[in-house]
Amino acid sequence: EVQLVESGGGLVQPGGSLRLSCAASGFTLSSHWMSWVRQAPGKGLEWVANIKQDGTDDFYVDSVRGRFTISRDNAKNSLYLQMNSLRAEDTAVYYCVREIEVGYGEVSLYFDYWGQGTLVTVSS
Amino acid sequence: QSVLTQPPSASGTLGQRVTISCSGSSSNIGSHFVYWFQQLPGTAPKVLIYSNNQRPSGVPDRFSGSKSGTSASLAISGLRSEDEADYICAAWDDRLTVRVFGGGTRLTVL
Repeated sequence: EVQLVESGGGLVQPGGSLRLSCAASGFTLSSHWMSWVRQAPGKGLEWVANIKQDGTDDFYVDSVRGRFTISRDNAKNSLYLQMNSLRAEDTAVYYCVREIEVGYGEVSLYFDYWGQGTLVTVSS
Repeated sequence: QSVLTQPPSASGTLGQRVTISCSGSSSNIGSHFVYWFQQLPGTAPKVLIYSNNQRPSGVPDRFSGSKSGTSASLAISGLRSEDEADYICAAWDDRLTVRVFGGGTRLTVL
């Protein structure tokens, strides 16, 4: 059974840092692009970042580029999100998400498995 | 304000067919696949439709997706009480070069 379990969320002051982890099981992590998607309280979904199967390519939404870093350790079946210079607007539930490629040269949003999410609150 | 526009709410009665719309532009829906997600209260989203109209295994055929020009629709037939949830569309946007989501439509089953 595919499982994604996030951890590392919590309360942090503006300007602070936090590292989220996602433990993957039930599938071969190295076969998939992986994403982080967030959802602010009572708001819609926002894609944050993703990383290629071997970790050699990564992409970010403009609002976090330069502050967040996505990484992975396939040997440990783990995905990470290092978040620095946190702002109040980064407050959200962060989901670890598995991607399925759809071909045709298309950027995929086929997010077939999601973790339960971890809440990050940025507040003084 | 979301790049993809959805009505904030929709409703239907048990057994009825409802349609939820998602309006975009030539840089997203008009030239790329559309995806639909269902989010039950307090849970993570679940993919319902990928590549405009494909259903993952396990998703009932009561759910169907379609696309025309710069708009897409999700249809749910034979409405059940357990369909009460938020429904969210998504697509890649060429101009913004980012994955974008709609604001979501909350479906109420009367």
